[in-house]
Amino acid sequence: DIVMTQTPLSLPVTLGQPASISCRSSQSLVYRDGNTYLSWLHQRPGQPPRLLIYKISNRFSGVPDRFSGSGAGTDFTLRISRVEAEDVGVYYCMRATQPSWAFGPGTRVEIK
Amino acid sequence: QVHLVQSGAEVKPPGASVKLSCKTSGYTFTNNYVHWVRQAPGQGLEWMAMIYPQDGSTSYAQRFQGRVTMTSDTSASTVYLELNSLTAEDTALYYCARDNSAFDYWGRGTLVTVSS
Repeated sequence: DIVMTQTPLSLPVTLGQPASISCRSSQSLVYRDGNTYLSWLHQRPGQPPRLLIYKISNRFSGVPDRFSGSGAGTDFTLRISRVEAEDVGVYYCMRATQPSWAFGPGTRVEIK
Repeated sequence: QVHLVQSGAEVKPPGASVKLSCKTSGYTFTNNYVHWVRQAPGQGLEWMAMIYPQDGSTSYAQRFQGRVTMTSDTSASTVYLELNSLTAEDTALYYCARDNSAFDYWGRGTLVTVSS
């Protein structure tokens, strides 16, 4: 099975400053159709996860442009250009293809 | 507008079964996979199962094989998850999510508590 890892697992950030989270998979995430189905989700306390980024770098509808995704193959990064208070919570990367979908362990972002 | 509405909280004794529902709306039900994901208290997200309503094909996480069944009712645009032989470790929030090359819409979650 593909294993997803994230670093760091905890990320204290300063409002207005940039932040980044890394995600690594144990195998290449390039699917047979040539796409890489790597997503990023954000979960605030008491809420379901919400999609931020899909297929490495595409922002989902309504996601602010301070969020960006990059990477290829097995290594991916989520960047927040200027952290805002509403960005606290847990960020998950995930492999979004067959045969088994998988989430990273999550990175908890908090304000310093 | 896409919506996924989940059934209410459940409390079950150890050894029992639970069947959860997720009613979808706002899109063509048979066009997209739907998944179940669970989250134990204070823990991360765990993928459990997927169904393709167009043909009823399913895929299950290996650790739940033999204990979980996912079904769909196209007339009701609803998917179901049945989990058997419950233990305390199954106490969690269970989410359904639509797959559109990513998990783009999620239900609010159903809390399942396993307790004697």
